[in-house]
Amino acid sequence: GAGVSQTPSNKVTEKGKYVELRCDPISGHTALYWYRQSLGQGPEFLIYFQGTGAADDSGLPNDRFFAVRPEGSVSTLKIQRTERGDSAVYLCASSFLRQNTGELFFGEGSRLTVL
Amino acid sequence: DAKTTQPTSMDCAEGRAANLPCNHSTISGNEYVYWYRQIHSQGPQYIIHGLKNNETNEMASLIITEDRKSSTLILPHATLRDTAVYYCISNAGGTSYGKLTFGQGTILTVHP
Repeated sequence: GAGVSQTPSNKVTEKGKYVELRCDPISGHTALYWYRQSLGQGPEFLIYFQGTGAADDSGLPNDRFFAVRPEGSVSTLKIQRTERGDSAVYLCASSFLRQNTGELFFGEGSRLTVL
Repeated sequence: DAKTTQPTSMDCAEGRAANLPCNHSTISGNEYVYWYRQIHSQGPQYIIHGLKNNETNEMASLIITEDRKSSTLILPHATLRDTAVYYCISNAGGTSYGKLTFGQGTILTVHP
């Protein structure tokens, strides 16, 4: 369909490895968000892009986490030297930022398991 | 954003109205009340939002008290597919309207 697409849907990696998670937002959406959801918890904000630039990265837990959106559409969340505590579902959302309120459209998430 | 408080879980019979409460006693005048839900293994889904007035859409109704310290989400005729975690979120809108603070939410179970 025309929703937010995230790949891979599942990723299993070993501690210390590098991981990339991809998000394809809904066409035309200018704003893109990354959230992380640990088991049994609500989603937690990581970073927000308006166009190509990161407008707010205050939720990134440390400098092992980085995200890019070079052409203002697809975004990649990059995690270096993964740790077991990074295991979670990583959710991407997009929206029109034409008003000051509105809904976010979420993808189904990428489940990361660090062994 | 103001802290919200919701019951941990609720049950509802299929076909009946589900009324999900939320307390947001410290909400400020420019903060909206948003509701999202998350069905198992899916991403959150927007339901509705409001500032002062009651709101209704094809999914639900949102009733906000006059003092804005609490609200109720109403699913008028709950179905089994409405079983999900429901999140009540306050947010000031503006350029940060997508920076949502999800709590633990209410687990709604709709039973036959």
